[in-house]
Amino acid sequence: EVQLVESGGGLVQPGGSLRLSCAASGFTFRSYEMNWVRQAPGKGLEWVSYISSSGGSINYADSVKGRFTVSRDNAKNSLFLQMDSLGVEDTGVYHCARQGLGNALDIWGQGTMVTVSS
Amino acid sequence: DIQMTQSPSSVSASVGDRVTLTCRASEGISNWLAWYQQKPGKAPKLLIYTASSLKSGVPSRFSGSGSGTDFTLTISSLQPEDFAIYYCLQAKSFPWTFGQGTKVEIK
Repeated sequence: EVQLVESGGGLVQPGGSLRLSCAASGFTFRSYEMNWVRQAPGKGLEWVSYISSSGGSINYADSVKGRFTVSRDNAKNSLFLQMDSLGVEDTGVYHCARQGLGNALDIWGQGTMVTVSS
Repeated sequence: DIQMTQSPSSVSASVGDRVTLTCRASEGISNWLAWYQQKPGKAPKLLIYTASSLKSGVPSRFSGSGSGTDFTLTISSLQPEDFAIYYCLQAKSFPWTFGQGTKVEIK
């Protein structure tokens, strides 16, 4: 079964850091581009970051540029998001998503909740 | 950045109705558009990619059309399990951007 499972979310104070992980299974992870997408409580979807299959090309939303770092370990079928200098506006559910045909995000994890609060 | 605008923001419809949702891009995106369905507490589910290609396993009552700046998602005969929020996504150029969503509610 093709699956993505996120972990690493939790409660953190403003200014703090968290590292999210996404474990992939059921497909050849190293062949796929990957993304992070978040959703604030009661709000819509916001794309956060992209990484190419090799990790050589990376893009970020302006809202996280300079604070978040995406990476991957193809040997361990894993995707990561290092989040630093967190603010209350970063609160939400973070999903990892596989990029497929037509650049569509075709497989999503169930998400991990990040709460930034004092 | 490319802005994606969905309309209406919500629609009330009955089982069996034909429903059409619209997504407009602030500039041309060719057919680099996808449609998603999201139910409460769940991850989004891909329905349509490249504007009109139905993802395998998605019911054929869902269809997509359009190119350039104007796109539609049509549900030909609304079923009880289709009540959800629908989002469009442009994947032509970074940053990828989503529409704000259209909520399909029970009339």
